[in-house]
Amino acid sequence: AQTIHQWPVAEIKAVGSPLSLGCTIKGKSSPNLYWYWQATGGTLQQLFYSITVGQVESVVQLNLSASRPKDDQFILSTEKLLLSHSGFYLCAWSLSQGTGQLYFGEGSKLTVL
Amino acid sequence: AQSVTQPDARVTVSEGASLQLRCKYSYSGTPYLFWYVQYPRQGLQLLLKYYSGDPVVQGVNGFEAEFIKSNSSFHLRKASVHWSDSAVYFCAVSASTGNYKYVFGAGTRLKVIA
Repeated sequence: AQTIHQWPVAEIKAVGSPLSLGCTIKGKSSPNLYWYWQATGGTLQQLFYSITVGQVESVVQLNLSASRPKDDQFILSTEKLLLSHSGFYLCAWSLSQGTGQLYFGEGSKLTVL
Repeated sequence: AQSVTQPDARVTVSEGASLQLRCKYSYSGTPYLFWYVQYPRQGLQLLLKYYSGDPVVQGVNGFEAEFIKSNSSFHLRKASVHWSDSAVYFCAVSASTGNYKYVFGAGTRLKVIA
């Protein structure tokens, strides 16, 4: 069975500090990977997607970056956090290009103070 | 580009009553449509999806949705809700060709009362 694990579960960070969120998918080779951001009580905004190792496409610019160092790993990061980065970050995977369902992780809650 | 509108931010229904959550999409091609549910502090779980064929699709936990192309709608229904159905429901659309973009609606927060 496939599993998706996100870390950390929650973070409280200061404005201007760096951030790294991670996501690991086990039991599925070469998945398409996605990062979504969700403001409190809001909808999901797609940030990045990756269809292969080392290749990441940006969907919206939010002063964040993403990398895929391994087939099963997706990292979201920034060197300087803004207050507007607060929210819930969700990693997801799919098999088909835009037509298969997304499988979501449990999310990482980020609070920037 | 695709877009999704969920016009009802909040819906309250009594336990045992029927439910309809509305979703309208915009996409010039053939859409792939999804309904997801999100419980507090959790990721999203798929309820059902539609690609083609019978416009009424059945999902988990008694949910179903009907694709009406002429109205660009994909409303979610349930005949009898349970208190455990209280959650946020998201409608989503993706393009049918070579596109890795999934667009979500604003979500509808469902509250089931006794």
